[in-house]
Amino acid sequence: QVQLVQSGAELKKPGASVKVSCKASGYTFTTYAMNWVRQAPGQGLEWMGWIHTNTGNPTYAQGFTGRFVFSLDTSVSTAYLQISDLKADDTAVYYCARGRSCSDGGCYHDYWGQGALVTVSS
Amino acid sequence: EIVLTQSPATLSLSPGERATLSCRASQSVSSYLAWYQQKPGQAPRLLIYDASNRATGIPARFSGSRSGTDFTLTISSLEPEDFAVYYCQHRSFGPGTKVDIK
Repeated sequence: QVQLVQSGAELKKPGASVKVSCKASGYTFTTYAMNWVRQAPGQGLEWMGWIHTNTGNPTYAQGFTGRFVFSLDTSVSTAYLQISDLKADDTAVYYCARGRSCSDGGCYHDYWGQGALVTVSS
Repeated sequence: EIVLTQSPATLSLSPGERATLSCRASQSVSSYLAWYQQKPGQAPRLLIYDASNRATGIPARFSGSRSGTDFTLTISSLEPEDFAVYYCQHRSFGPGTKVDIK
């Protein structure tokens, strides 16, 4: 069965960096894109962008350029989200989500990781 | 950038009632729109894609429709487990509709 297992919760200080992992199993990793979605406490879902797992080409949504980097290690079927120069309002749950039927309109997210809480506090 | 507007923000209903949730796109998205359900402390779940197709394992009481740039998610008869927040999505997500128990 398809599973996306994310790394655990992180507590970081402002200005630090964090790297969240998302390990996929149960399907061929390179045949589906991987998306990242942010959810701040008590707020809605924000699509951060996606990475083409075949080419490694990332697409970042507005507001998620510069400090946010998507990467892959296809040898272990894992996607990564790195955030640098962390700020307090980066505090959120970060989800990875498998993308299907991807186009300029984005992807449908048919399987989701369990989420990784990143807390930024001094 | 296409903006999705969902209404109402909150829908208070009783089990067994029909729920009608709306999502309006700021410009044409064709039928490229999905609906998700999210319960507290859980990841979202894909319910509907391409405006009207149920995802794998989704009960038949969930249905989606489209009229131009207006989209509707209908839950024909609310079950206790259906009380949750619902998001529409085309690239980005709408702000969500919370369906709570009246």
